Amino acid sequence: SQQGEEDPQALSIQEGENATMNCSYKTSINNLQWYRQNSGRGLVHLILIRSNEREKHSGRLRVTLDTSKKSSSLLITASRAADTASYFCATLPSVNTDKLIFGTGTRLQVFP
Amino acid sequence: GAGVSQSPRYKVAKRGQDVALRCDPISGHVSLFWYQQALGQGPEFLTYFQNEAQLDKSGLPSDRFFAERPEGSVSTLKIQRTQQEDSAVYLCASSFRDRALWPLHFGNGTRLTVT
Repeated sequence: SQQGEEDPQALSIQEGENATMNCSYKTSINNLQWYRQNSGRGLVHLILIRSNEREKHSGRLRVTLDTSKKSSSLLITASRAADTASYFCATLPSVNTDKLIFGTGTRLQVFP
Repeated sequence: GAGVSQSPRYKVAKRGQDVALRCDPISGHVSLFWYQQALGQGPEFLTYFQNEAQLDKSGLPSDRFFAERPEGSVSTLKIQRTQQEDSAVYLCASSFRDRALWPLHFGNGTRLTVT
């Protein structure tokens, strides 16, 4: 079963606009990670945020984490057509488990 | 190698056949994970190795699924007597350290189609 639910399921925007994706999860976590997947390819790691962190930046990416609400958001600023992909959040539960549990994903389409 | 390598890239099997999927992780990576991804869904955990030890196999759907990593590097996922519901992309990932405390590096997957 999948721990994370992402919202929206699909998002279409124009180049230059910002894209925001949200992730909710069920159990307490050690860390939360965001991955990107281009069609027919494997997943590529974007950013990792630990449970004691609230915000993290990497280039055009900004991730927030609210452990009280069990939610995270990924913001991509100044989007490009090359950002078109599926984006997944993944959580490592804080209990002694090795499973990184993925959400259902957001399919982002950026139009030139 | 530069990244995680999986072979074959595509596999078509008749129902009832056995298949073996190979994963070459990044050299030196301790952890190796197998995931199953159905069309339009997120990856679902199958099993996890730390070096040659299989520490968690709770995600394997049935006893037809078997994974091994005998020397702590290359891993093979074997599916016996394949069924149509086994059709999916099988993803392998490796990580530098134990658990998923560090980012996972994924291969491009093996797309299995059972006819």
